[in-house]
Amino acid sequence: AQSVSQHNHHVILSEAASLELGCNYSYGGTVNLFWYVQYPGQHLQLLLKYFSGDPLVKGIKGFEAEFIKSKFSFNLRKPSVQWSDTAEYFCAVISSSSHYNQGGKLIFGQGTELSVKP
Amino acid sequence: EAGVTQFPSHSVIEKGQTVTLRCDPISGHDNLYWYRRVMGKEIKFLLHFVKESKQDESGMPNNRFLAERTGGTYSTLKVQPAELEDSGVYFCASAGRGNEQYFGPGTRLTVT
Repeated sequence: AQSVSQHNHHVILSEAASLELGCNYSYGGTVNLFWYVQYPGQHLQLLLKYFSGDPLVKGIKGFEAEFIKSKFSFNLRKPSVQWSDTAEYFCAVISSSSHYNQGGKLIFGQGTELSVKP
Repeated sequence: EAGVTQFPSHSVIEKGQTVTLRCDPISGHDNLYWYRRVMGKEIKFLLHFVKESKQDESGMPNNRFLAERTGGTYSTLKVQPAELEDSGVYFCASAGRGNEQYFGPGTRLTVT
């Protein structure tokens, strides 16, 4: 069965520190990969996605993620975090073999809560 | 464009009662999904509609949960009778062509 593992449940950083959140997935086929973010009191928002092509993808707010197929990983990075990055971050995977117009279910990791101290 | 909306935002009911959650997807999105997050655990898939048809309902926990999407527009998720373990946040998402899903704000269900 497909699964997604996020390495850290809670990360605490000071402003300007660098961030890397780990994400590994288990699935034998081709996948689409996502990072979602939920800021306090807000709904889940897409941070970035990987479908194909350049394995280094850039998202909103200075975030980026690198897809390493050999390691089944899709780690999220940001060189310098801000207090406003305090949120919960979710890695998710979907099988890209789903029919184009019929989508498929997202498999989520457990989530990583990021607290940034001002 | 308007995003995915869900109603109510919060519901508190007693064990044994019935609750109906509603989701309005983004206009024109044929795909509609229900997910649930229980007690800080991972967000888990419940089911997927394509228009009014259930494409995948493999995540529905048991027959106390009934989802409908009449006319292929909004969807409802009814829990009857509710149990304590049904407490959690219920998310709805919608998608057009492709695999990018847009999430609603969620409904927090508390069963006492």
